[in-house]
Amino acid sequence: KAGVTQTPRYLIKTRGQQVTLSCSPISGHRSVSWYQQTPGQGLQFLFEYFSETQRNKGNFPGRFSGRQFSNSRSEMNVSTLELGDSALYLCASSLGALGETQYFGPGTRLLVL
Amino acid sequence: AQSVTQPDIHITVSEGASLELRCNYSYGATPYLFWYVQSPGQGLQLLLKYFSGDTLVQGIKGFEAEFKRSQSSFNLRKPSVHWSDAAEYFCAVSNNNDMRFGAGTRLTVKP
Repeated sequence: KAGVTQTPRYLIKTRGQQVTLSCSPISGHRSVSWYQQTPGQGLQFLFEYFSETQRNKGNFPGRFSGRQFSNSRSEMNVSTLELGDSALYLCASSLGALGETQYFGPGTRLLVL
Repeated sequence: AQSVTQPDIHITVSEGASLELRCNYSYGATPYLFWYVQSPGQGLQLLLKYFSGDTLVQGIKGFEAEFKRSQSSFNLRKPSVHWSDAAEYFCAVSNNNDMRFGAGTRLTVKP
């Protein structure tokens, strides 16, 4: 089975712009979660989608949003980028619940200038 | 509030020596517990997980972890470390509504 894939792998944006990141889960997985990883804050949970619905949400501002398509692929959008949004964004997929084993993609490294 | 603490930011061990990475959690009920490993520039790979049952859990790459409810701990162990084990290790907890990670422990392996 192919693993979780994320595109693009690297991205450079400037403050104020918006960005969309994509995640393709493992075939058959219906849950997709997003995480932000920074040196200062570590790994933080952004949100989880299941069957095209946001099921759980972390403590991030509304500039961070996402969606999931009928094929379980997910996108994450960050609007009005700030310097502090520079991070590694990780996507993970699982069969069902958030507490089940999650399989992580390689991440998208976003640099905001 | 749910939280995970990894007290050791950085640990250095010699190749062949034993390893123990500490993890303590704070949560009202026993959550799902995980250990993940991350190599530089990579995503996270699951080493092992605990949901219920036997408190000693075996994982991949020769790792094991023991769940101790009385101490709210889930420490990761390996009897003999290999140079390829050098990486960052994350303990995580989940209750199906949230996923919390510890700050991570960076492992350096001396030859």
